[in-house]
Amino acid sequence: GENVEQHPSTLSVQEGDSAVIKCTYSDSASNYFPWYKQELGKGPQLIIDIRSNVGEKKDQRIAVTLNKTAKHFSLHITETQPEDSAVYFCAPNRPGSGNTPLVFGKGTRLSVIA
Amino acid sequence: EAQVTQNPRYLITVTGKKLTVTCSQNMNHEYMSWYRQDPGLGLRQIYYSMNVEVTDKGDVPEGYKVSRKEKRNFPLILESPSPNQTSLYFCASSPGVGRGRAWYNSPLHFGNGTRLTVT
Repeated sequence: GENVEQHPSTLSVQEGDSAVIKCTYSDSASNYFPWYKQELGKGPQLIIDIRSNVGEKKDQRIAVTLNKTAKHFSLHITETQPEDSAVYFCAPNRPGSGNTPLVFGKGTRLSVIA
Repeated sequence: EAQVTQNPRYLITVTGKKLTVTCSQNMNHEYMSWYRQDPGLGLRQIYYSMNVEVTDKGDVPEGYKVSRKEKRNFPLILESPSPNQTSLYFCASSPGVGRGRAWYNSPLHFGNGTRLTVT
C-alpha cells in the first residue's frame, strides 16, 4: 500500500514568516494531491489541491508544488497569520479500481507566534 | 447548506456496550468513509464505501462494522467497544464516478467529529 510521510511533525514560525510542509509518497500512480487543514474541534477541510499534470498551484497566500519524479509535494504558506495555526494533513490519491484504502500523512502542527 | 453531519459529538460508554455513531451527508456523494484520529498517528481509515451496499475495509477495520443501505447514511457500529477504541472519529464523503470525476480525484468533506471514550 501507499507509504506517506509528512515533515516536519511540528513547526513554529513568527507571524509574517513563511512555512513549508513536505509530503512524500511511495505510489508512483498517485495523481491527486490535496492538503487539508484541521482547526481545533473541527474536521479537516481542503485548503488546496493539485493534479499530476500541474507543477504548482497558488491561492493567495497558499501554494502547493509537486515533484512527481521525486514523489513529493509541498504546502507553502507565506505571510503567516495566527489563524493559520492548525494541523495540516496530506493525502495523495491514486486512480484505479477504487478498492484501495486512503492513507493520510501523520500531520504537521503549525503554530504561528504573534 | 452542504454538510456531513455526525452524531453524537461526544460519547462516553463502557466496555462491551454496543453503540452506533451516525453519519449523514446531503450532497448526494457516492463515496463515504470513516477515520479515527489518535495522537501521533494522524488519520487512519476504518471503512469506506464506494456506493450503496458496497463497503470495504480500510487500514484499521478490526472491531468496527458499517452499513450503507442508503446513499446519504453511513453509520459506524461498535458491537463490543473496548478501551483501545477510545478515539476521535470522523466521517467524510466525496463525489463519485457518477459525476465524471472519480472519488479518488475529489476532495473529501469531513464531519466535525465524534469523541468516543470507552471505560
